[in-house]
Amino acid sequence: GAGVSQTPSNKVTEKGKYVELRCDPISGHTALYWYRQSLGQGPEFLIYFQGTGAADDSGLPNDRFFAVRPEGSVSTLKIQRTERGDSAVYLCASSLEAGGHEQFFGPGTRLTVL
Amino acid sequence: KQEVTQIPAALSVPEGENLVLNCSFTDSAIYNLQWFRQDPGKGLTSLLLIQSSQREQTSGRLNASLDKSSGRSTLYIAASQPGDSATYLCAVIGTGTYKYIFGTGTRLKVLA
Repeated sequence: GAGVSQTPSNKVTEKGKYVELRCDPISGHTALYWYRQSLGQGPEFLIYFQGTGAADDSGLPNDRFFAVRPEGSVSTLKIQRTERGDSAVYLCASSLEAGGHEQFFGPGTRLTVL
Repeated sequence: KQEVTQIPAALSVPEGENLVLNCSFTDSAIYNLQWFRQDPGKGLTSLLLIQSSQREQTSGRLNASLDKSSGRSTLYIAASQPGDSATYLCAVIGTGTYKYIFGTGTRLKVLA
């Protein structure tokens, strides 16, 4: 079956602009996660959804970052007033349920802020 | 605070060698540990998932072990091939949490 998909695969924007990154999880997976990976580092947790609600947003770096999952499936990560330091690969993952189930990752969106 | 360390950071071996990648974590209260492979510019591919109650998992030429009490896991790759060249990441989920904490990875290059 289809895996986790993310769009766009690449996004180049200018400092100060607003961007949206989309994640389509595996059908039937109730848990969805966002991670951010900087060059040469492992992914770092941003936010996790169980259903429609954000169960843990402790990894969001500041209030410029926001994520939604209004119908419990597709999720959008929104970044306002982008900064050059936001440049990274943003990874989405989903799992059947939360609580230690295997997480399946999408290919990521590479964000470059000029 | 959980910290995950992977050694070595980079490894280059000739084709056919058996090799071991190491992962250590500071808090032994984990729910599971997962090994991933990441090719350049790509997302993460799950290799093996070890639940905290398990000691090892095997898939083909890969074998991962877990020693929770000592905070260590190893990924053993038998008869390495050039196609195994990638970055290998380990990640743990702590009990009572749902987020993975990742190591920085081991960059493996298998020479033909």
